[in-house]
Amino acid sequence: QKEVEQDPGPLSVPEGAIVSLNCTYSNSAFQYFMWYRQYSRKGPELLMYTYSSGNKEDGRFTAQVDKSSKYISLFIRDSQPSDSATYLCAMSAGTGGFKTIFGAGTRLFVKA
Amino acid sequence: DVKVTQSSRYLVKRTGEKVFLECVQDMDHENMFWYRQDPGLGLRLIYFSYDVKMKEKGDIPEGYSVSREKKERFSLILESASTNQTSMYLCASSTGDSAYEQYFGPGTRLTVT
Repeated sequence: QKEVEQDPGPLSVPEGAIVSLNCTYSNSAFQYFMWYRQYSRKGPELLMYTYSSGNKEDGRFTAQVDKSSKYISLFIRDSQPSDSATYLCAMSAGTGGFKTIFGAGTRLFVKA
Repeated sequence: DVKVTQSSRYLVKRTGEKVFLECVQDMDHENMFWYRQDPGLGLRLIYFSYDVKMKEKGDIPEGYSVSREKKERFSLILESASTNQTSMYLCASSTGDSAYEQYFGPGTRLTVT
C-alpha cells in the first residue's frame, strides 16, 4: 500500500464549478500537508501548506486536513480554465531531514 | 524571483552512457533534491543534500549518484544509463527549516534508447 493515495483523474468540470481534490494517507506521523500545482511541461509549484489539522484559505483555494480520517482535501471555488493543471498532494513528518512524500497527482481540466 | 534552473529540457542518451544532469538555484537554499516523475507513480525522491558535500539517499537511489561541491549546484549522475531510467527528472531546493516548501526547476525529460 502506498503511503499517499491520490486519484489520478482526469477530472473535467465546467468553468465556475467547485472542484474537490482529495488524498488519503497511512502514516500518522505526517504533520505538514501541501498542495502543489503543476502545469504541463513545468515543475510543480507550492499552492498552500497546512500544519497539523484544520482548514486554510487562500483566495479561491481552501485546504482541509482531517488527521483522524487521514484525509486531506483541496477545494477550488469558481474554477477557471487557468486552473487546468495537475494537482499533487504532498506530506512530511517534519521540516528538517524528513522526506516529503508526494501523491501521484490529479489531472484537472476546467472547460470554458 | 526564486529560480531553479536545470541544464537541459530534453536529453536523449544511449544505454550504457554516463549522464550528467545539472541543477542550479539562486536562493542560497541549504536543501536540494532530485526526483523522478513517472505517470501513476508521482514524484519519487532519488537523493537529497542538506549541505555542501552532504548527501542522503532517497527512496530509489540505485543506479544514480550525486555531487554537491557548491551550495548552489546539485548534480545527478547516471553511472550507466538504462532504458528504465527514461523519465522526467526534477530538481528542487528549499531552506533548511522549510523542507515542505520546495521550489522546483522545469524538469529534464531524459530518454534512454
